[in-house]
Amino acid sequence: SQQGEEDPQALSIQEGENATMNCSYKTSINNLQWYRQNSGRGLVHLILIRSNEREKHSGRLRVTLDTSKKSSSLLITASRAADTASYFCATDYSSYKLIFGSGTRLLVRP
Amino acid sequence: DTEVTQTPKHLVMGMTNKKSLKCEQHMGHRAMYWYKQKAKKPPELMFVYSYEKLSINESVPSRFSPECPNSSLLNLHLHALQPEDSALYLCASSQSGNRDEQFFGPGTRLTVL
Repeated sequence: SQQGEEDPQALSIQEGENATMNCSYKTSINNLQWYRQNSGRGLVHLILIRSNEREKHSGRLRVTLDTSKKSSSLLITASRAADTASYFCATDYSSYKLIFGSGTRLLVRP
Repeated sequence: DTEVTQTPKHLVMGMTNKKSLKCEQHMGHRAMYWYKQKAKKPPELMFVYSYEKLSINESVPSRFSPECPNSSLLNLHLHALQPEDSALYLCASSQSGNRDEQFFGPGTRLTVL
């Protein structure tokens, strides 16, 4: 399967805590993206990190990329109930094709 | 306008019906996509249109027929579907398709009886 893997599959934390999700992929990439999906809705783009970047920040989000290990992590700091969603990493398999990871379901308890 | 719209939101159809899903964007994006997503699974790419031409068909059965009438519109025509085709169908668009971020619509929840 081309699909990347994410862990954990599910994560439950208290509001205010940090959440870390990990993504591993199989092929070489030009960039890696993270998306959020609220239940049964469309995906929302969060952040894109290029293969020559090691770390990127956007608000409460911090993404790291280790191309030697073919892995990335997404850290959400000071989580809120509204962060409850599924999170997917996506790698650029080709110019037009993204391969999505298996996803992490995050539950932030108030 | 930074929105991708999809209609209908929900669709129930029998195996002998013909129906269409519609997607629209007015961001000037030149690449448009159809994805299929089953519950608790990641989206799976079905088709990609680039500059109104079909660029990728991920070996999708012919009962799914895409159409791109113009650069803002994308349709997915459905005919003789099977119950296992029930899923969330997502449309997306991106600036050029060249490894850039994709903007997703809210999806159409399809149920095939």
